[in-house]
Formats: sequence, C-alpha cells, structure tokens
Amino acid sequence: ILNVEQSPQSLHVQEGDSTNFTCSFPSSNFYALHWYRWETAKSPEALFVMTLNGDEKKKGRISATLNTKEGYSYLYIKGSQPEDSATYLCALSYSGGGADGLTFGKGTHLIIQP
Amino acid sequence: NAGVMQNPRHLVRRRGQEARLRCSPMKGHSHVYWYRQLPEEGLKFMVYLQKENIIDESGMPKERFSAEFPKEGPSILRIQQVVRGDSAAYFCASSLVTGGNEQFFGPGTRLTVL
Repeated sequence: ILNVEQSPQSLHVQEGDSTNFTCSFPSSNFYALHWYRWETAKSPEALFVMTLNGDEKKKGRISATLNTKEGYSYLYIKGSQPEDSATYLCALSYSGGGADGLTFGKGTHLIIQP
Repeated sequence: NAGVMQNPRHLVRRRGQEARLRCSPMKGHSHVYWYRQLPEEGLKFMVYLQKENIIDESGMPKERFSAEFPKEGPSILRIQQVVRGDSAAYFCASSLVTGGNEQFFGPGTRLTVL
C-alpha cells in the first residue's frame, strides 16, 4: 500500500503572510508528483506536475519543490490572500504495472484570515 | 473549451437500486479515471479506462461496480444494488496522454443512498 502523507492537516495563516506545507511519499518506483488546489464545491484544479529530482515550479505566488531521493515535496505560498483558502492535495503516480491512477494524500486545508 | 463534465451532480437512490454516473472527458482526451471520496477520507483511485478498454480496475470493489468507456459517448460508472456505504462523491478525470501527465477533474457526482 502506497502512503502519501501531507502535513499539516490544516493551517490558519494571516493574510499577507507566507506559508508552506509538505507532502511525503515512498521514493521507490516514483514517476510523478501532482499538486492540486481544491475549493469547496469545485473541481480539483491542477497546479503542478513534477517528475525530476530537484524540480522547482512556480505559478504566480505559488511554487513547489521536489526531492525524489528523500521522498518529499514542499508547496510554498508567498503573501497569502483570502482567495488562497482551499484544500491543497498532493498525488503520486508510480511506474510499473501500467497503473496510472493517482494516489492522493488527505490534503492540507488552508484558511487565510483577513 | 469545455472541461470534464459529469452528470448528474447529485443523485439520490434507495438501497437496492442502480446508480449510473456519467463522465464526458475534455475534448481530445482518451484517458478516463474514476475516483471516489468517502466521507472523511481522501480521493481514492477506482478505475482507469481508455476508449473501449479497461486498463486498470485495481481500485474498484469486486462486486456491484462496473465501468465502461464506449467508442461513442461518455464513460459510465455503474453501481448495482446500492448500499448506504456507497454514499460518496465520485470524481472523474481525463488526460490527453498517460504516464504521469496532468489529469483534469470534473465537478463530481454526489451519491446519497437512503
């Protein structure tokens, strides 16, 4: 059973502050790591897909890093805004066996306080 | 450019009835994935299909659940003789190619079994 762990489970951040959270995963047979942003009553929205050790990706105020050797990824949000409030999901795809279904963590629920 | 469409958005069934959930992938996408979110749980992979083929159904319950993706028309997730434990949100995603590429999610179907 593949275990994708996200921490913290929930996070309250003041508007304007920067924050980050973690996704940990088994590094064997790693293929790709996906970050999604999920607002209530909406579809999960893809943020990043990362495949290479040392990858860094950025979209506006949000960025992510990947360490496949030690099995973790960080998601950073700079200068948090109320619209950043959402659940951030990490998901892994693993090679071998032809299985391309993603294995999801339980998410980090981020609340930005004005 | 419509995204992934799912219908119905909400479905209520009595125990023993059948539930049919539909998913139309994004235009040009031939890879479809179904996920389930049980109450208080994360998204769990159920099945991965390409046109007219089930590629991986390792996450699908062995009984009462089936999925198809015909040559024409949407992908269908079918649950026969529903039980209360089937109450969940069912999400469909599609991708252009497989192998760790970005999966685009639909808004989900929330199934309630009375």
